[in-house]
Amino acid sequence: EAGVAQSPRYKIIEKRQSVAFWCNPISGHATLYWYQQILGQGPKLLIQFQNNGVVDDSQLPKDRFSAERLKGVDSTLKIQPAKLEDSAVYLCASSRGGGAGILSYEQYFGPGTRLTVT
Amino acid sequence: SQQGEEDPQALSIQEGENATMNCSYKTSINNLQWYRQNSGRGLVHLILIRSNEREKHSGRLRVTLDTSKKSSSLLITASRAADTASYFCATSRGGGGNKLTFGTGTQLKVEL
Repeated sequence: EAGVAQSPRYKIIEKRQSVAFWCNPISGHATLYWYQQILGQGPKLLIQFQNNGVVDDSQLPKDRFSAERLKGVDSTLKIQPAKLEDSAVYLCASSRGGGAGILSYEQYFGPGTRLTVT
Repeated sequence: SQQGEEDPQALSIQEGENATMNCSYKTSINNLQWYRQNSGRGLVHLILIRSNEREKHSGRLRVTLDTSKKSSSLLITASRAADTASYFCATSRGGGGNKLTFGTGTQLKVEL
């Protein structure tokens, strides 16, 4: 099966500019996640969708970050305006979800978008 | 916030040796998962162990879980150069959301 697709792979912007990332999950996966991974750290969950509804966005800086998954398939994550500390790799992941047994818990990650804010 | 902390932060071994990484976490969990991350293949799921399991095997991987100590270990036997990567444990409280909280990672280098 095709994996999780993300674009762009790399992005360099100046602080206070805006940026958007796109993710297309594995076909049929109900749950979609956006993570932020700062260099040298583990991924941190920003937002989780179940179909097109938000399950958890407790760690999303809502004053500057927004995300949507309008049709319950692909998703976009936006940062506006960007700060220097937003420099990180943004990972999208998907899982079967829906309580389909233990297999629903495995998450499949895309290649990520490396964002550099100067 | 980071739930788990891996130990050691970095590990260097020779090909053919075994590698052991440890993970400690703070709150009760439904399951614990190990992931590998390298530049070539990104972040990949390795193995999942449920809170009512104590040990699990998958190929050259062996995972143990001690919920009383809130700790887990990942053993890679007969390591290969291709095992060079960062390894992360991630905990989940389960439920419909399955939110994962990742640890800080162990950087493993396997030398020829």
